Amino acid sequence: DQQVKQNSPSLSVQEGRISILNCDYTNSMFDYFLWYKKYPAEGPTFLISISSIKDKNEDGRFTVFLNKSAKHLSLHIVPSQPGDSAVYFCAANTIQGAQKLVFGQGTRLTINP
Amino acid sequence: DSGVTQTPKHLITATGQRVTLRCSPRSGDLSVYWYQQSLDQGLQFLIQYYNGEERAKGNILERFSAQQFPDLHSELNLSSLELGDSALYFCASSVLPRNTGELFFGEGSRLTVL
Repeated sequence: DQQVKQNSPSLSVQEGRISILNCDYTNSMFDYFLWYKKYPAEGPTFLISISSIKDKNEDGRFTVFLNKSAKHLSLHIVPSQPGDSAVYFCAANTIQGAQKLVFGQGTRLTINP
Repeated sequence: DSGVTQTPKHLITATGQRVTLRCSPRSGDLSVYWYQQSLDQGLQFLIQYYNGEERAKGNILERFSAQQFPDLHSELNLSSLELGDSALYFCASSVLPRNTGELFFGEGSRLTVL
């Protein structure tokens, strides 16, 4: 049972344009949604998060949007830079009970010069 | 550098063998998590420890076990290894046992079972 899904394994975007990464979830009990970024041979690093009571959170070039009715979130990167090329994981978390951060399969983002 | 240290970085072994993966959390972090990433899959939660006690369990196989020691480092033991156990194993840490989900990950241990 995949509670968090990233349906696009890869995405290619031109430098300077907007990158939009998408994520769907099935469990309406999630309290927080997060994006992690992973470079080759490194562990995932936290990028940005959003509480389930909000619909937008912005941090510099990165904005996460949450649509609870559609159980969908997206990460926007504007403008995209070559250093943004990485695998991006969507993740979801519940505060109550045991914390088990649930990850999507990841989307490989490539920024082309 | 996340401050989380994992050893070994790479490990090649044969089916039926047993291996131990080690993790040192960030200084001050009391909670340790283990995740498994198989080829082209997301990270699967295995187990969490907080200050030496098991806190949460995911889809961890009975052949796998873990513990957290008084100095807060953790070990993941994998026994009777099968080909399907080949994966990247990540350790992560956090200060509190429950938080928004912001964890600090190590670089991972890549296990290859032949």
